[in-house]
Amino acid sequence: QQQVKQSPQSLIVQKGGISIINCAYENTAFDYFPWYQQFPGKGPALLIAIRPDVSEKKEGRFTISFNKSAKQFSLHIMDSQPGDSATYFCAARSPGANNLFFGTGTRLTVIP
Amino acid sequence: SQTIHQWPATLVQPVGSPLSLECTVEGTSNPNLYWYRQAAGRGLQLLFYSVGIGQISSEVPQNLSASRPQDRQFILSSKKLLLSDSGFYLCAWSRQGEAFFGQGTRLTVV
Repeated sequence: QQQVKQSPQSLIVQKGGISIINCAYENTAFDYFPWYQQFPGKGPALLIAIRPDVSEKKEGRFTISFNKSAKQFSLHIMDSQPGDSATYFCAARSPGANNLFFGTGTRLTVIP
Repeated sequence: SQTIHQWPATLVQPVGSPLSLECTVEGTSNPNLYWYRQAAGRGLQLLFYSVGIGQISSEVPQNLSASRPQDRQFILSSKKLLLSDSGFYLCAWSRQGEAFFGQGTRLTVV
């Protein structure tokens, strides 16, 4: 059973546009929601993360929006650039757990 | 600062041959360690995790095994590789919920 559901599977955005990736979860015990960025042939790297006591976190062009009542969170990439082309994974963790539950990934392509 | 080393970066092995992938972490002690597999264009599948020396939890029964002989060393092994073992293998360590990944090993079984 997929603990974290991620959509879309792939996304094509024009340079300068907004990229939006969505994730949903069921376990209300989750208390930490990171996003990872993975370039081809490389390991995923932590991009930005949020805890459920805030509704939004922004770091540069990257913003996480968190809706606790809907059990959903999303990544927004403003002014998308070709260098943002990568696979993005959302994840979630419950307190005391030993591992993160990852979404299935979104392959983002930003067209020049 | 903490760093994670994983090698080799690429590996081509014949079916039926053994496998040993090694991962080491520097700059931290008693980390949680993980092995993930990523099939082409797919998500991250957790294979094994370890919370301490000699403590291994398997998430998916399969042809692979893991060992943790030292605090900051995690090894992924197989006695006989199958074609289906091909994929991108990632080692990771975690701290307070954050996971830090190695650069991965691209394994092709031929």
